[in-house]
Amino acid sequence: KAGVTQTPRYLIKTRGQQVTLSCSPISGHRSVSWYQQTPGQGLQFLFEYFSETQRNKGNFPGRFSGRQFSNSRSEMNVSTLELGDSALYLCASSLRLRTSGSFEQFFGPGTRLTVL
Amino acid sequence: AQSVTQLDSHVSVSEGTPVLLRCNYSSSYSPSLFWYVQHPNKGLQLLLKYTSAATLVKGINGFEAEFKKSETSFHLTKPSAHMSDAAEYFCVVTPSAGSTLGRLYFGRGTQLTVWP
Repeated sequence: KAGVTQTPRYLIKTRGQQVTLSCSPISGHRSVSWYQQTPGQGLQFLFEYFSETQRNKGNFPGRFSGRQFSNSRSEMNVSTLELGDSALYLCASSLRLRTSGSFEQFFGPGTRLTVL
Repeated sequence: AQSVTQLDSHVSVSEGTPVLLRCNYSSSYSPSLFWYVQHPNKGLQLLLKYTSAATLVKGINGFEAEFKKSETSFHLTKPSAHMSDAAEYFCVVTPSAGSTLGRLYFGRGTQLTVWP
């Protein structure tokens, strides 16, 4: 069974631009979560989607948004990029919604975003 | 509130010697606990998880961890380090109830170096 895939793997953008990252979960998984990883802040939860609905959101500004499609694939968008948005963005999928009890998340390799 | 403290940001061991990565947690509810490993330019891989069953948990690649409620600890150990164990390790807590049910809270990570 194929794992979580993320595209692109690397991105370079300039300040003020916007970017869209894509995540394809493991087949059959309906929950997708996004995390930001930076040296300064570590790993932080961005948001979770289940059945095309955002179920929870971390403490990030409105410039960060996402969506999920009917096939469970998810995209996240960052508008008006800032230097501080440079990070590794990780996507994780799981079979069930996290609130349904014990679950396991499977992580993709991440998208490395550099903002110049 | 939920939080994780990894007591060492860097640990260095010689190949063949034991590994100990320390983790303390705080959780308002009975938690589930995980250890993940991240190799360079890779996503996170689950090593092991504790979900209120046996307090001594065995994971992949010879790793194990012991849940000690009285000490609020979940230290990761391995009897004999291998060069391939060099990576960053994350301790993760997720509460079993409350408004943040199932959300993953990551420690800041421990970089493990293995010397030949």
